[in-house]
Amino acid sequence: EVQLEESGGGLVKPGESLRLSCVVSGFTFRNAWMSWVRQAPGKGPEWVGYMRSKTDGGTTDYAAPVKGRFTISRDDSKNTLYLQMNSLRTEDTAVYHCATGNYGAYDLWGQGTMVTVSS
Amino acid sequence: EIVLTQSPGTLSLSPGERATLSCRASQSVGSNYLAWYQQKPGQPPRLLIYGASSRATGIPDRFSGSGSGTDFTLTISRLEPEDFAVYYCQQYGSSPLYSFGQGTKLQIK
Repeated sequence: EVQLEESGGGLVKPGESLRLSCVVSGFTFRNAWMSWVRQAPGKGPEWVGYMRSKTDGGTTDYAAPVKGRFTISRDDSKNTLYLQMNSLRTEDTAVYHCATGNYGAYDLWGQGTMVTVSS
Repeated sequence: EIVLTQSPGTLSLSPGERATLSCRASQSVGSNYLAWYQQKPGQPPRLLIYGASSRATGIPDRFSGSGSGTDFTLTISRLEPEDFAVYYCQQYGSSPLYSFGQGTKLQIK
């Protein structure tokens, strides 16, 4: 059974940092291009960024609102994807999902972890 | 930056009726990398259609996608009670690399 399970969310103050994790099982993680997608309360999904597989270079790309503040990494030995979030802002409040797929679409999603940024 | 605009914002129909949802892109979507998702409260989005017209695994054939370039459509031929949800379109390849529309809420009339 395919599973993606995020953790690490919580309540933080503006300017603080948080690291999210996504542990996957049921497919070959090391070959997957993995993404983070967030969804603010009552809003549509918003792509955060992705990381290619190590065999495809392991490079990353980010959405403009998080570029320079967020960093995606992966540990293929642990089947785990990470999202390091620094200098958090109130507008980063959202449910954060890890996701993957093919043909430019996401067919596998985790349930998400809630991040709340508030003073 | 590519912007996806979905219409209508809300669609009120009855079970058994046909639903037509629209997604218009501000510039051409390359290689028709256009997907459609269904989302219910408390759940992540569920992929319905990819490549503008290919159904994802396990998706009933009452769901179909069409279109190319800047205009895309999701059609649900005969609405079932479980189809009432929010639907999003999503493109891949243009800046930003992935982007989503703002959604269409399909509600029971």
